[in-house]
Amino acid sequence: AQSVTQPDIHITVSEGASLELRCNYSYGATPYLFWYVQSPGQGLQLLLKYFSGDTLVQGIKGFEAEFKRSQSSFNLRKPSVHWSDAAEYFCAAGSSNTGKLIFGQGTTLQVKP
Amino acid sequence: DTAVSQTPKYLVTQMGNDKSIKCEQNLGHDTMYWYKQDSKKFLKIMFSYNNKELIINETVPNRFSPKSPDKAHLNLHINSLELGDSAVYFCASSPRTGGDSPLHFGNGTRLTVT
Repeated sequence: AQSVTQPDIHITVSEGASLELRCNYSYGATPYLFWYVQSPGQGLQLLLKYFSGDTLVQGIKGFEAEFKRSQSSFNLRKPSVHWSDAAEYFCAAGSSNTGKLIFGQGTTLQVKP
Repeated sequence: DTAVSQTPKYLVTQMGNDKSIKCEQNLGHDTMYWYKQDSKKFLKIMFSYNNKELIINETVPNRFSPKSPDKAHLNLHINSLELGDSAVYFCASSPRTGGDSPLHFGNGTRLTVT
């Protein structure tokens, strides 16, 4: 069955520190991959997406993600975290077969001053 | 201008009641969705419509009935509400169907059934 797994339910980092949020997928073929961010009381906002080509993709707000086929992973990174980055982060995958996105369980990011 | 707007933002009601949530998008997208986010923040697709036509129905109870009067609107009506229906419901839209089409989400409707 198709699935997306975010192993870390909750992560706390200090402001200014680097960040990596993990995402693994299980699909028959390489899916389309996305990262979304959800601030409290808000809907989800697209950070970045990977379809094909360069395995390192840049997104908004200084985020980037790296696709690694051998590890079935699509980890999200940011070199220096700001307090405003505290939010819920969702990895998602989609395929042209199903026409829908499957979301991971989400990772809550807390930023310490 | 809000791209995907849904109303109401909060909905508190008693078991057995019938309620509706409305959604409108002004992005000109062809496809609209309803997602349910449970208390553990897990997001699951419920329905998808493309240009007013139902294309995805994810084994949702018959008490849930989506209606799309036009491609800019997708409403969700829920009959005989149950405690387990308490969740945040998100409307979303995308330019087209297909897993490569990013979603644009509304801000959610928090439904509480007492």
